[in-house]
Amino acid sequence: QLALTQSPSASASLGASVKLTCTLSSGHISYAIAWHQQQPERGPRYLMKLNSDGSHSKGDGIPDRFSGSSSGAERYLIISSLQSEDEADYYCQTWGTGIRVFGGGTKLTVL
Amino acid sequence: EVQLLESGGGLVQPGGSLRLSCAASGFTFSGYVMSWVRQAPGKGLEWVSDISGSGGSTHYADSVKGRFTISRDNSKNTLYLQMNSLRAEDTAVYYCAKERGSSSSGVDYWGQGTLVTVSS
Repeated sequence: QLALTQSPSASASLGASVKLTCTLSSGHISYAIAWHQQQPERGPRYLMKLNSDGSHSKGDGIPDRFSGSSSGAERYLIISSLQSEDEADYYCQTWGTGIRVFGGGTKLTVL
Repeated sequence: EVQLLESGGGLVQPGGSLRLSCAASGFTFSGYVMSWVRQAPGKGLEWVSDISGSGGSTHYADSVKGRFTISRDNSKNTLYLQMNSLRAEDTAVYYCAKERGSSSSGVDYWGQGTLVTVSS
């Protein structure tokens, strides 16, 4: 069954870097995913599509501080030079014919 | 600039009906799969339904199958979600979402959402 797993929370200091992880279910490790950011009290915002080979395409206006990489079943969102506005929930999403799946989300706290 | 503007949310009693609309602009509407995604209070994102560019193919989450119907009017650049037999657990912000292409490809634009509250 297609599924995505995310850690519920993460934290990092202002100006530092953080790597968030999204893990694909067994049998689906070649799937691409998308990363979405949801700041407090706001709707989601598309960050990037991330392929199994680590190539990614970002959404309009997404800063260079946001990047992605892949290893096996794991898909990563890397945020460098953390800013206060990066404090948000981050969701990964994948898809197949007739199905869309979201991970449970990771709440990122910027210390 | 891509814009998605939802409307139609509100308070409805259990067992009632509601129709959501999403007015799209800034892209060739008929060329893209569109989806509805919801978020219950304090919870994560949940995919509800999607529809092909032509409207000929639709899919639903098990939680809404048989109760919700997705449709689109490409002449009006508008996406719809007809929600019947509403339950308390359908209470959520409903987001209209554009996918990246003409086939399943993930969301690349989101609307601002419309709140549906199911309560007596």
